[in-house]
Amino acid sequence: EPEVTQTPSHQVTQMGQEVILRCVPISNHLYFYWYRQILGQKVEFLVSFYNNEISEKSEIFDDQFSVERPDGSNFTLKIRSTKLEDSAMYFCASSDPTGGPSRNTIYFGEGSWLTVV
Amino acid sequence: LAKTTQPISMDSYEGQEVNITCSHNNIATNDYITWYQQFPSQGPRFIIQGYKTKVTNEVASLFIPADRKSSTLSLPRVSLSDTAVYYCLVGPDTGRRALTFGSGTRLQVQP
Repeated sequence: EPEVTQTPSHQVTQMGQEVILRCVPISNHLYFYWYRQILGQKVEFLVSFYNNEISEKSEIFDDQFSVERPDGSNFTLKIRSTKLEDSAMYFCASSDPTGGPSRNTIYFGEGSWLTVV
Repeated sequence: LAKTTQPISMDSYEGQEVNITCSHNNIATNDYITWYQQFPSQGPRFIIQGYKTKVTNEVASLFIPADRKSSTLSLPRVSLSDTAVYYCLVGPDTGRRALTFGSGTRLQVQP
């Protein structure tokens, strides 16, 4: 089964540093997402990206966050100046809602665990 | 978005059938009901989706009554590897919109 891949699997960073989390979505997918899950809490939506622009974002996704699709395969989440409360598992996801049996399915990656110290 | 309510936790034994019910009284006409599974330290994984009546795949069955105000995820003959958190989500266009996860149901399967 095709999968969403994320790197790094775990990153430790100092507060105030910039972090870039990378994702390779499933190759024919059109929608890309970032979610996060703070330890012991719910999975929270951050942002969705379609046609090279943000289509939806939550209030968590403030000016400290940005997303980019620098080439045809990668999708990145940048946190400009990390805070302690940014420590979480960050999940990338992708979907292809245009047709087929999996059109209503969002596929998640294994996550990148970010620890801000 | 329709609010969902599901049990916080459930316990079962290997080989049993597990039924997890989700209430969604305010479901809208164009909403689908979708269930995801999440293992510790992994991303959520799609299990099944339905609109009405019954849907079955190789993993689970989803039962939806005529009023659609609730749904039941049925896992036949669970094994230890089915220990996970199960989320019920309700909403439209689930392949192109943000998903709103609740707290889910933590299923613990014992030998």
